[in-house]
Amino acid sequence: QQQVKQSPQSLIVQKGGISIINCAYENTAFDYFPWYQQFPGKGPALLIAIRPDVSEKKEGRFTISFNKSAKQFSLHIMDSQPGDSATYFCAASNSFGNEKLTFGTGTRLTIIP
Amino acid sequence: DTAVSQTPKYLVTQMGNDKSIKCEQNLGHDTMYWYKQDSKKFLKIMFSYNNKELIINETVPNRFSPKSPDKAHLNLHINSLELGDSAVYFCASSDKAPYGYTFGSGTRLTVV
Repeated sequence: QQQVKQSPQSLIVQKGGISIINCAYENTAFDYFPWYQQFPGKGPALLIAIRPDVSEKKEGRFTISFNKSAKQFSLHIMDSQPGDSATYFCAASNSFGNEKLTFGTGTRLTIIP
Repeated sequence: DTAVSQTPKYLVTQMGNDKSIKCEQNLGHDTMYWYKQDSKKFLKIMFSYNNKELIINETVPNRFSPKSPDKAHLNLHINSLELGDSAVYFCASSDKAPYGYTFGSGTRLTVV
């Protein structure tokens, strides 16, 4: 059972545009929602994270929007740059449970000039 | 200074062999993990150790055995390797799970 669904599987955005990746979860016990960025040949690296007590969190060009009632959250990358080209994973966890991160299936983002 | 280091980076072996992957973290974290990333990039947790104690053991074949000699090391031993074991295996650590995982660069295992 996949508990975190991520879309799209791949995304091509022009330089300067907005990249949007969506995730939906099923487990209402989840209370921590990070996004990870992975470059080829590297491990995933934490990009930004949110807890359900806020609806939005912004760090530089990266913003997480969170909709608790819909059990959905999304990553927005403003002014997308070629250096943003990577695979992005959403994840979720119950921080009071066994604390493991359950990952989405990943989105391969390509920023074209 | 590499925070989470895995060796080897690449591992090519024949079916039926036994192999080990080593992981070390110098972050002082209490919790370490093994994740498997398949050919479709899907990341799935295999094991988690907290201060040398096994706390998560997902549905993984008995051929996979983690060992944590101390809280800075978590090794993965795989017996009787099968073609389906081919994947990238990531070690990770966390100071206060589930926050702030730090991943290693991965070990690409190819079973032929």
